[in-house]
Amino acid sequence: KNEVEQSPQNLTAQEGEFITINCSYSVGISALHWLQQHPGGGIVSLFMLSSGKKKHGRLIATINIQEKHSSLHITASHPRDSAVYICAVRSQHFGNEKLTFGTGTRLTIIP
Amino acid sequence: KAGVTQTPRYLIKTRGQQVTLSCSPISGHRSVSWYQQTPGQGLQFLFEYFSETQRNKGNFPGRFSGRQFSNSRSEMNVSTLELGDSALYLCASSFVVGYEQYFGPGTRLTVT
Repeated sequence: KNEVEQSPQNLTAQEGEFITINCSYSVGISALHWLQQHPGGGIVSLFMLSSGKKKHGRLIATINIQEKHSSLHITASHPRDSAVYICAVRSQHFGNEKLTFGTGTRLTIIP
Repeated sequence: KAGVTQTPRYLIKTRGQQVTLSCSPISGHRSVSWYQQTPGQGLQFLFEYFSETQRNKGNFPGRFSGRQFSNSRSEMNVSTLELGDSALYLCASSFVVGYEQYFGPGTRLTVT
């Protein structure tokens, strides 16, 4: 079982729909990151969370540390939101910290 | 403020050769991390540097190494290249270790 699991793997929605992408992890973490990757490879960091909820424009990220779960929500989705969304957790193993990534959710928004 | 820059952007090497990739962080950022992205394995953490010292390391063989200079610029080196090393290599910088990371555009390495 991977340390970081994302769902769904693929998501297609109509413009304007409310989008939810989920991330579950199995280890203790110091932080969770949500990243956006557009075709061509460029990665943008959307959020870094250690507790609670953060909002930036139409994007909202939440984390529940007890349940080891995070969600990324997109309100009023737009075709420019089409990208791969990646969850990553920062955890410590015997004094060595590392980032472990989920496999990503490919989001396609249809006009 | 200029973003993270990586050079070269594209590289083709032959099996058995070695390669050095370069990363210049955002001005003022002192931590640099390196990642490998492949279609099969996704994104994987290579190593993280702060103040010229490797602070954290992923699960890659010793053929993968890196260093950070006093101006925070970083290089990673892969020796004895294998076909499986073909990947997009991404560098990210942050103010200090554990802060939000800003990614560069990546270097696409092809090993033939």
